[in-house]
Amino acid sequence: DGGITQSPKYLFRKEGQNVTLSCEQNLNHDAMYWYRQDPGQGLRLIYYSQIVNDFQKGDIAEGYSVSREKKESFPLTVTSAQKNPTAFYLCASQVGHATEAFFGQGTRLTVV
Amino acid sequence: RKEVEQDPGPFNVPEGATVAFNCTYSNSASQSFFWYRQDCRKEPKLLMSVYSSGNEDGRFTAQLNRASQYISLLIRDSKLSDSATYLCVVYRSGNTPLVFGKGTRLSVIA
Repeated sequence: DGGITQSPKYLFRKEGQNVTLSCEQNLNHDAMYWYRQDPGQGLRLIYYSQIVNDFQKGDIAEGYSVSREKKESFPLTVTSAQKNPTAFYLCASQVGHATEAFFGQGTRLTVV
Repeated sequence: RKEVEQDPGPFNVPEGATVAFNCTYSNSASQSFFWYRQDCRKEPKLLMSVYSSGNEDGRFTAQLNRASQYISLLIRDSKLSDSATYLCVVYRSGNTPLVFGKGTRLSVIA
């Protein structure tokens, strides 16, 4: 079954901790994205990667880091520098330019 | 001016009504356009791509007006299950990511 998988679905973090959100796809897509969504708000782009070993900052990259060591994986680390990390995080992938994106089911991160 | 703008709504319509959403984009070089649907606390899912000639999928019709730089989505015979947020999505060109509008919320009422 091809798709894009995010884990965990729910994540709780203590203040000052780093946490890593997983995103894996078996669609053989080149491009992968991370978005953040706050309640009642639109999607904001954190990072994106068009090819392995390359990624670019989006609109709100501060306090986040990513890696793209394998085509199928694009993990996102929420660092302690991110002051307000509680949000819904969505990962997406895209086969190429100008095509639609497919989303994972999201990770809901809460700082406790 | 935001690159992709949508009326946030909410649009509250009775079952069976026809409702239309518009979306404007600022970059005239934009090449591809999509409508996504997002249910509460779920991920966005592709509803339909938008082609220059316009396209229809059952009760849903999408139109593109390049001269005026807007995209529309028409929903006929609204169902309760159509209640969701509808996101307008634009691809510019080259090595750039998709750009999402903030979404228009639709509530279909019995």
